[in-house]
Amino acid sequence: EAQVTQNPRYLITVTGKKLTVTCSQNMNHEYMSWYRQDPGLGLRQIYYSMNVEVTDKGDVPEGYKVSRKEKRNFPLILESPSPNQTSLYFCASSWIMNTEAFFGQGTRLTVV
Amino acid sequence: QKEVEQDPGPLSVPEGAIVSLNCTYSNSAFQYFMWYRQYSRKGPELLMYTYSSGNKEDGRFTAQVDKSSKYISLFIRDSQPSDSATYLCAMKIDGGSQGNLIFGKGTKLSVKP
Repeated sequence: EAQVTQNPRYLITVTGKKLTVTCSQNMNHEYMSWYRQDPGLGLRQIYYSMNVEVTDKGDVPEGYKVSRKEKRNFPLILESPSPNQTSLYFCASSWIMNTEAFFGQGTRLTVV
Repeated sequence: QKEVEQDPGPLSVPEGAIVSLNCTYSNSAFQYFMWYRQYSRKGPELLMYTYSSGNKEDGRFTAQVDKSSKYISLFIRDSQPSDSATYLCAMKIDGGSQGNLIFGKGTKLSVKP
């Protein structure tokens, strides 16, 4: 089954404690991206990757890091989380030439 | 002016009603227009997409794009309680590597039995 898998689904952490949210896709897609979704603000892109070792900033990259060492994986790293990073996070993947993005199930992150 | 504007609703309709969901946009370079459906606690899933202007129909769903007015619509005929979800419009400059998906904030739809 074609899917994008994120882990964990729910995470509560404390300010400043580094965390990683994993994302993996099994469709051999070139393009992967991370979004955060906040009430009243909608989906905003954090980072994206066109292929292995190629990443770039989206609209709201501050406080986040990503890496793309393998085509299937695109982890999101928060080196020093802060409460304003409390949000619902989605990973997505697609073929570069395709408009359809497949989304993961989401990770609800709370930073206290 | 925001790049993509979408009324957040909520929109509540009785079962069987025709639903009209809309987005306006400001960037005339957008060429690909999409509608995503997002159920509660789930990731968005692509419902329909159209290229440039015109209509596209898929079952009970019809997507319309009016580039001259910078306005897109999604119509749902014979709406069902299972259509209750948040509908997100999204746009892209082209189908390749240029430009990322820009999303509206979503309209929450509730279809009452």
